[in-house]
Amino acid sequence: AQTVTQSQPEMSVQEAETVTLSCTYDTSENNYYLFWYKQPPSRQMILVIRQEAYKQQNATENRFSVNFQKAAKSFSLKISDSQLGDTAMYFCASFQGAQKLVFGQGTRLTINP
Amino acid sequence: DSGVTQTPKHLITATGQRVTLRCSPRSGDLSVYWYQQSLDQGLQFLIQYYNGEERAKGNILERFSAQQFPDLHSELNLSSLELGDSALYFCASSVDPVIGGEQFFGPGTRLTVL
Repeated sequence: AQTVTQSQPEMSVQEAETVTLSCTYDTSENNYYLFWYKQPPSRQMILVIRQEAYKQQNATENRFSVNFQKAAKSFSLKISDSQLGDTAMYFCASFQGAQKLVFGQGTRLTINP
Repeated sequence: DSGVTQTPKHLITATGQRVTLRCSPRSGDLSVYWYQQSLDQGLQFLIQYYNGEERAKGNILERFSAQQFPDLHSELNLSSLELGDSALYFCASSVDPVIGGEQFFGPGTRLTVL
């Protein structure tokens, strides 16, 4: 069974700092997709960033970037110049077999002023 | 706004009852997914439909059923409700699951079973 593990239940940093959220996953597939979703207090699930496993280059979206280590099955999210609006639950997810997203348990990130 | 709509936003009902949650995918998306988010289980995949046909099933209870209609909207039916069914139910849509594109989530329906 696919599993996604987020080992940091909670994190807290000061505004403008850089923070890295960890994620590891399990797969036997060669081709798969990895995502980070953000869930603010409104509970809406918002896609932050997407990585295709066959691409070696790490994905970047403005202040958000990933460190994708395929051999280690690691997929961490780096948020640079953190802002108060980044406060949310962050979920790592994998998509395999064209069927479903498998989510980690989430990391609650708080950005302090 | 993801373009995925879900109704109702909130639902409060009693144990033993039956409810129907509705989802309209983004325009052009053929695939619909249902997820359940509860406090102790996190986000769990329930079921996927693609262009009207069931594609994949997760840990969906026998008391739950779903369908996708010709206009591509989907309904999730929950019956014989129990207290433990209280959760946030998300619908998501994507163009084609084989492509592995991102799934766009609706705002969710919060179900409270009393």
